[in-house]
Amino acid sequence: QKEVEQDPGPLSVPEGAIVSLNCTYSNSAFQYFMWYRQYSRKGPELLMYTYSSGNKEDGRFTAQVDKSSKYISLFIRDSQPSDSATYLCAMSAQGNTGFQKLVFGTGTRLLVSP
Amino acid sequence: ETGVTQTPRHLVMGMTNKKSLKCEQHLGHNAMYWYKQSAKKPLELMFVYSLEERVENNSVPSRFSPECPNSSHLFLHLHTLQPEDSALYLCASSQDKRFSYGYTFGSGTRLTVV
Repeated sequence: QKEVEQDPGPLSVPEGAIVSLNCTYSNSAFQYFMWYRQYSRKGPELLMYTYSSGNKEDGRFTAQVDKSSKYISLFIRDSQPSDSATYLCAMSAQGNTGFQKLVFGTGTRLLVSP
Repeated sequence: ETGVTQTPRHLVMGMTNKKSLKCEQHLGHNAMYWYKQSAKKPLELMFVYSLEERVENNSVPSRFSPECPNSSHLFLHLHTLQPEDSALYLCASSQDKRFSYGYTFGSGTRLTVV
């Protein structure tokens, strides 16, 4: 079983739709959860970062973490064609003084049509 | 320049060639990373440097050789590669190796081995 599972898509939605992107994970030690957005021919850029469980909102984006179900989500409201990209979830366990390894999902490709 | 800069953007090399990838960060970060991104696979951590010292080598074949001459520059020296090494190679930096959030990625080098 992979540590992090993410549906590769593509997910196609019309402009203005609410988008839900999800990841599941198996390692209960994960405490830091991130969403990265990657445009074609670019590197990933950090969108949202959440520590432990709960919700975090930033503009049209909401990140949710449900540690009991080992499930994280990213919601995009009023989706725009400019949101078309690959969305990567990533997570890590809390370290002490050592290196914290990030574990990534495979990414979900999102296509928002005008 | 700001952020993380990678050169070249594209590289085609034969299996007997020797080439180098370069990464430079202008963020004052202490940790730098090499990742490999292949189609339909999660980002794969290759090497981690913290304050110019290698702290992680993720079982990478010896045909990949990293070098970190100072905290702003990171190189990946390539020799006798295989076609399966064709991928997008991403460099990232972060303030400290202990903090998994806040990675800044470069745009990557698209490597094709022929």
